[in-house]
Amino acid sequence: DSGVTQTPKHLITATGQRVTLRCSPRSGDLSVYWYQQSLDQGLQFLIQYYNGEERAKGNILERFSAQQFPDLHSELNLSSLELGDSALYFCASSVVMGTSGSNEQFFGPGTRLTVL
Amino acid sequence: TQLLEQSPQFLSIQEGENLTVYCNSSSVFSSLQWYRQEPGEGPVLLVTVVTGGEVKKLKRLTFQFGDARKDSSLHITAAQPGDTGLYLCAGSPTQGGSEKLVFGKGTKLTVNP
Repeated sequence: DSGVTQTPKHLITATGQRVTLRCSPRSGDLSVYWYQQSLDQGLQFLIQYYNGEERAKGNILERFSAQQFPDLHSELNLSSLELGDSALYFCASSVVMGTSGSNEQFFGPGTRLTVL
Repeated sequence: TQLLEQSPQFLSIQEGENLTVYCNSSSVFSSLQWYRQEPGEGPVLLVTVVTGGEVKKLKRLTFQFGDARKDSSLHITAAQPGDTGLYLCAGSPTQGGSEKLVFGKGTKLTVNP
């Protein structure tokens, strides 16, 4: 158990709909990352928040948005869903820079999104 | 964009055999991590290497970071069926000022009893 929790585990919805994925980081971690994993693309970085502020953006579509709340949990909002948005969505958390000088990220169990 | 290439993409071996998985890039990374992922679950961190030339051992797994911090390898000795899974390397880019990870596409390992 990484200490990162994600809900829901599975989500099935229709094209054009909007969904919200939730993530709670490990206790003490200030940074939250969202990644998308599809069969053909592998794990792709979407966005990072640090202590409530957006820190970095990756390959995130304009239809997607995220935020981090004062209690440090994060939500990823996906709107106008398309079939191609079906994927596993992972949240990860880290202290940002560990004492070893590396950025160790710990992943949640993921949310499997199916768009029909 | 800093990319990581993993090879082989698929590997099927018999219990007791040794294997090596490679992770290569033309770019320098400040650190590199190896993860193992089971189907439908999140990646689990195995090790982090930071210093060029660094070697770390985790039981039967040996991880090495290249001297130039552009590549890494994972060697498994006497593989067991419990080692089956998707092995992912991920690097922290030196550019961009972000702590995001760049992932390779993974090596899917199957160890047959």
